[in-house]
Amino acid sequence: DTGVSQNPRHKITKRGQNVTFRCDPISEHNRLYWYRQTLGQGPEFLTYFQNEAQLEKSRLLSDRFSAERPKGSFSTLEIQRTEQGDSAMYLCASSLVGRGSYEQYFGPGTRLTVT
Amino acid sequence: GQQLNQSPQSMFIQEGEDVSMNCTSSSIFNTWLWYKQDPGEGPVLLIALYKAGELTSNGRLTAQFGITRKDSFLNISASIPSDVGIYFCAGPFANAGGTSYGKLTFGQGTILTVHP
Repeated sequence: DTGVSQNPRHKITKRGQNVTFRCDPISEHNRLYWYRQTLGQGPEFLTYFQNEAQLEKSRLLSDRFSAERPKGSFSTLEIQRTEQGDSAMYLCASSLVGRGSYEQYFGPGTRLTVT
Repeated sequence: GQQLNQSPQSMFIQEGEDVSMNCTSSSIFNTWLWYKQDPGEGPVLLIALYKAGELTSNGRLTAQFGITRKDSFLNISASIPSDVGIYFCAGPFANAGGTSYGKLTFGQGTILTVHP
């Protein structure tokens, strides 16, 4: 049973560069969520997909952020023109639809450092 | 907006001691979840609670869904060094219409340190 995987695990980039992260959810899960976590805080919701449809985006997700889940399987999160404030852990989670949707299983995260 | 407050913020205990932590909300929650996070890793789901008053165990961990539906508690019995980490409570975030689509709101975490 494969859990949620994320790549890369760590990314260091210079301010102004674009970065893309990938998330592979648990295979039978049709919901996929992206969260951001900064030091000393709990994860904060960014956006989520049900199959390939992006159903909601947080106000935290500025225009520089875009997420896709083209075939309802893996998802990518792209940040354009990175800023130092984007430095954080980006977490992906997946779940089933219905009552079980609250039981979200997280990947190991991608740690982004913007210099 | 909905916020979850966890206490204590940190705990330093001796191996073998029992641990209690809690989470309170300004709003009613229909589901409570408890996660543990190790440094540099994603949160791991420990326990999910769905009914007010519900008491659920997972090994040495026991969690309770408060009867007011605005709080939840996590207890760890006979702590061991591998219990070290950050414990988060979480609940589904509801929009203004009261509908929740599974996106979670997290508390700020309780940092647990266990001395051997």
